[in-house]
Amino acid sequence: AQKITQTQPGMFVQEKEAVTLDCTYDTSDPSYGLFWYKQPSSGEMIFLIYQGSYDQQNATEGRYSLNFQKARKSANLVISASQLGDSAMYFCAMREGSTGGFKTIFGAGTRLFVKA
Amino acid sequence: NAGVTQTPKFRILKIGQSMTLQCTQDMNHNYMYWYRQDPGMGLKLIYYSVGAGITDKGEVPNGYNVSRSTTEDFPLRLELAAPSQTSVYFCASSYAGPEKLFFGSGTQLSVL
Repeated sequence: AQKITQTQPGMFVQEKEAVTLDCTYDTSDPSYGLFWYKQPSSGEMIFLIYQGSYDQQNATEGRYSLNFQKARKSANLVISASQLGDSAMYFCAMREGSTGGFKTIFGAGTRLFVKA
Repeated sequence: NAGVTQTPKFRILKIGQSMTLQCTQDMNHNYMYWYRQDPGMGLKLIYYSVGAGITDKGEVPNGYNVSRSTTEDFPLRLELAAPSQTSVYFCASSYAGPEKLFFGSGTQLSVL
């Protein structure tokens, strides 16, 4: 069965520093996608970055990068040069391929606080 | 391009009342989803649909029903509302495959 685990309920980071948000997953499907979404206090869900299970390189999107370690089943989000506007909830999510019916499940989230 | 549209944005229900949360998307996505998010928590999948006429249960389907008569619409029905259904509800859609979700803006529901 699918499972997503985020073990950090809250994280603090100093402005302009980098921060890593942890995510581990479990699946038996060889084809899956891993996602990170940001939810600011306004409540909307914002897609940040995607990593496919067959991708050889780690995904990057601007200041966001995904540290994908397939053997360890981890997909950590790295935010470089943190900004005050990065303060938000961050959710790791996984979507299995055909055998999983393309359902997307979410972790419990990590609340990031960026300090000035 | 509207994307995923949810209505209403806010609603207060009394215990035992029923209501339908509306969701429509204009991206011709086959896959549509309903999630609920309790305060400070992650999103839990209620129901999802892989195409018109096809729906399936997610992680927390009890107390809810869905239908998918068209590609565009995926309403969520709450029968006999209970305080435990107080939550924020998100509708989402996507293409097939391991693709990202497109979210609606959410419906904040309180059952008192």
